[in-house]
Amino acid sequence: KQEVTQIPAALSVPEGENLVLNCSFTDSAIYNLQWFRQDPGKGLTSLLLIQSSQREQTSGRLNASLDKSSGRSTLYIAASQPGDSATYLCAVTSANQAGTALIFGKGTTLSVSS
Amino acid sequence: GAVVSQHPSWVICKSGTSVKIECRSLDFQATTMFWYRQFPKQSLMLMATSNEGSKATYEQGVEKDKFLINHASLTLSTLTVTSAHPEDSSFYICSARFGSGGETQYFGPGTRLLVL
Repeated sequence: KQEVTQIPAALSVPEGENLVLNCSFTDSAIYNLQWFRQDPGKGLTSLLLIQSSQREQTSGRLNASLDKSSGRSTLYIAASQPGDSATYLCAVTSANQAGTALIFGKGTTLSVSS
Repeated sequence: GAVVSQHPSWVICKSGTSVKIECRSLDFQATTMFWYRQFPKQSLMLMATSNEGSKATYEQGVEKDKFLINHASLTLSTLTVTSAHPEDSSFYICSARFGSGGETQYFGPGTRLLVL
């Protein structure tokens, strides 16, 4: 059964710092990996999607890498801003009894202070 | 990008009542829809996968008689929480996808349920 783990659970940094969020998954047979942002009490915003054949994706100040063989992904946030404060969720698309499904980690809650 | 809506966004009900939550894909046909539940400070837990025109597939530990899922069309899926109890209070999020493999899932904004 696929399990997704995110480290750290929480992170506090001053504005301007570069930071890395980590995600690991137990079954390397994935279709893709996604990073999401969730603000308190809100739904999900998709940040980056990496297909299983890709190594990384970039969007603005965000860069996500994928090492499928080792079951790891990192989300790099450059020059962090207070507006980046949110919970960041990592999820992988894996096969399940119904076809495929997204399996989520518990998230990393980021706080960026000004 | 593709848009998925949920209705209602908030619902407060008395214990024992049933609550229906709608999930709609507004600008694409969703062959598959997913229902997730999220407790405070926890991650999203997949409850069930729903393919249009067929019965939903429930994850282990999810009571299918309590959480009724109907996916009657390619743009609408409903989740009915039957005889809701306070422990059912949670944030329910749906997602929709066109296709059956690794295509992108698009998420709704979520529905917060509070059972008194």
